[in-house]
Amino acid sequence: DVKVTQSSRYLVKRTGEKVFLECVQDMDHENMFWYRQDPGLGLRLIYFSYDVKMKEKGDIPEGYSVSREKKERFSLILESASTNQTSMYLCASSLGGGRDNSPLHFGNGTRLTVT
Amino acid sequence: AQSVTQLGSHVSVSEGALVLLRCNYSSSVPPYLFWYVQYPNQGLQLLLKYTTGATLVKGINGFEAEFKKSETSFHLTKPSAHMSDAAEYFCAVRNQAGTALIFGKGTTLSVSS
Repeated sequence: DVKVTQSSRYLVKRTGEKVFLECVQDMDHENMFWYRQDPGLGLRLIYFSYDVKMKEKGDIPEGYSVSREKKERFSLILESASTNQTSMYLCASSLGGGRDNSPLHFGNGTRLTVT
Repeated sequence: AQSVTQLGSHVSVSEGALVLLRCNYSSSVPPYLFWYVQYPNQGLQLLLKYTTGATLVKGINGFEAEFKKSETSFHLTKPSAHMSDAAEYFCAVRNQAGTALIFGKGTTLSVSS
């Protein structure tokens, strides 16, 4: 079974802090994703990566950056956290290899509160 | 552009009743469609997917969905609801580039005894 592990279940940070959200997958997947989940808005794609050191902006990249130095690890970075970034963050991975129909496998999420 | 609309943010059924969660999609390419379920304080779990072939797709936990191209729909059904089905359900379509999923806003299913 694919395991996607998000390092923190809950985080509380102050406005202006630099925040790192870490995600690791153990199935040698090519693609990794960061989504943000908010009530009534569903999941919105922040960034994704289809290879090491490669990244693509999703629908809401503003205020975020990502890092993928190793295939199994994908980090989401909030350069200067703001209260409107309080949310549930979900990491996911998939097989990749171009246009494929493999499903996304999700971690359990990190609930970030910015005060 | 691809998009997904889930009709009804909240659906309530009695235990043993039919479950019907509605999903309509918009896609400029042949769609790949997915249903995910999220239990409280957990990530999303794949229920079923449609890519090509048979339009009636069976998934886990007794759920199934039918792809209807003429109606641009991919509704999720289960003949008899169980208390353990209470969760949030998301419909998703693969984006045009084939690189990520676009999700609907979700439907919360409540099951009463």
